[in-house]
Amino acid sequence: GDSVTQMEGPVTLSEEAFLTINCTYTATGYPSLFWYVQYPGEGLQLLLKATKADDKGSNKGFEATYRKETTSFHLEKGSVQVSDSAVYFCALSDTYKAAGNKLTFGGGTRVLVKP
Amino acid sequence: GAVVSQHPSWVICKSGTSVKIECRSLDFQATTMFWYRQFPKQSLMLMATSNEGSKATYEQGVEKDKFLINHASLTLSTLTVTSAHPEDSSFYICSASNSFGPGTRLTVT
Repeated sequence: GDSVTQMEGPVTLSEEAFLTINCTYTATGYPSLFWYVQYPGEGLQLLLKATKADDKGSNKGFEATYRKETTSFHLEKGSVQVSDSAVYFCALSDTYKAAGNKLTFGGGTRVLVKP
Repeated sequence: GAVVSQHPSWVICKSGTSVKIECRSLDFQATTMFWYRQFPKQSLMLMATSNEGSKATYEQGVEKDKFLINHASLTLSTLTVTSAHPEDSSFYICSASNSFGPGTRLTVT
């Protein structure tokens, strides 16, 4: 079955540091890939997505590129802020539907940014 | 954007009782909603797909008679945990249109 593997946290960084969270997946066909973020005390929010190979999703300074050859969707941000402290989840779906998708999640990576 | 709400945000119930969790799409209609379960410091696991006007589709290993799902309207899906036991204590989250609700924390004593 489908699976998503992401680096375990916690990841502790200083403000303005570069952030990378690795995510690799196993799936048949051509899945859609997502990054969700869960801020303390809040629900999951879609951060970015990519629906086909070589697509780059971006939002709020975060980027991730759908790499089919390496089955990866690593999340990056060039300069983190304290407000980026959260848990980040990589996820995939067999297809992409605007009405909603069955998601397979990675284990989540907690990021803590210190001032 | 699509806003999803859940009620209650947290609930405590005694072992053997049933508890109902509501999931509403506030500014859009959702023919499909998804129910997930999240254990402490762990990831989300899909439990079932809720389909308006028809039976829910459950993931392997999820007891359909224990976790009753009803999707009676285009804006409301309910998850009822029947005969709850302490091992059912968890964080239950619904999703629609790629948005997630804030979750419901269930504690069974």
